[in-house]
Amino acid sequence: EIVLTQSPGTLSLSPGERATLSCRASQSVSSTYLAWYQHKPGQAPRLLIYRASNRAAGIPDRFSGSGLGTDFTLTISRLEPEDCAVYYCQQYGSSPRTFGQGTKVEIK
Amino acid sequence: QVLLQGSGPGLVKPSETLSLTCTVSGYSISDAYYWGWIRQAPGKGLEWIGSIYQRGIPHYNSALSSRVSISVDTSKNQFSLRLSSVTAADTAIYYCAGVTCGGDCSFDYWGQGTLVTVSS
Repeated sequence: EIVLTQSPGTLSLSPGERATLSCRASQSVSSTYLAWYQHKPGQAPRLLIYRASNRAAGIPDRFSGSGLGTDFTLTISRLEPEDCAVYYCQQYGSSPRTFGQGTKVEIK
Repeated sequence: QVLLQGSGPGLVKPSETLSLTCTVSGYSISDAYYWGWIRQAPGKGLEWIGSIYQRGIPHYNSALSSRVSISVDTSKNQFSLRLSSVTAADTAIYYCAGVTCGGDCSFDYWGQGTLVTVSS
């Protein structure tokens, strides 16, 4: 099983600042099958990025993903108040599909 | 607009079987790449339970595979989850989700989640 470790646990930033979230895999993620989700309380998770760097439909271009192998990054270039959420990475190249433990983004 | 709506009992007794159904509207269930179930226990992260692919081929998390079954009913545009011999550890919000954005994509549509509590 591929274990995904996300850091930091919590990120507290001001509107307009840049957020950098990390996801490290215990083994190489096959074919960069790595996704990022945004999850707000009481809502369904929302797909932001798939295949490490492809934005899902309707996702603003301030969200971007990068990485390959075992190290992946989600960047939010200019934080907005509505970006307050928990962000999860997920690998779907190997079974079982696994999720990271999440990074909570707080807006000051 | 694609909508997923999960339904099923919110309370299940220990050792019994949890059964949930996800009804898909605005999209033909046969056209998706695959559908799946994911859960989140209280205070925990997301856990993939399993997926079902075109032609009804299931794929389960090995940690749950002896107890889980996922099936599709194309006539009703629904897919279902059954989890047997439940314990308190199976208490969670259960999400149904689907992949429509491509074979190299991940879950792009999700239901709102169904809270299932395992308790006598």
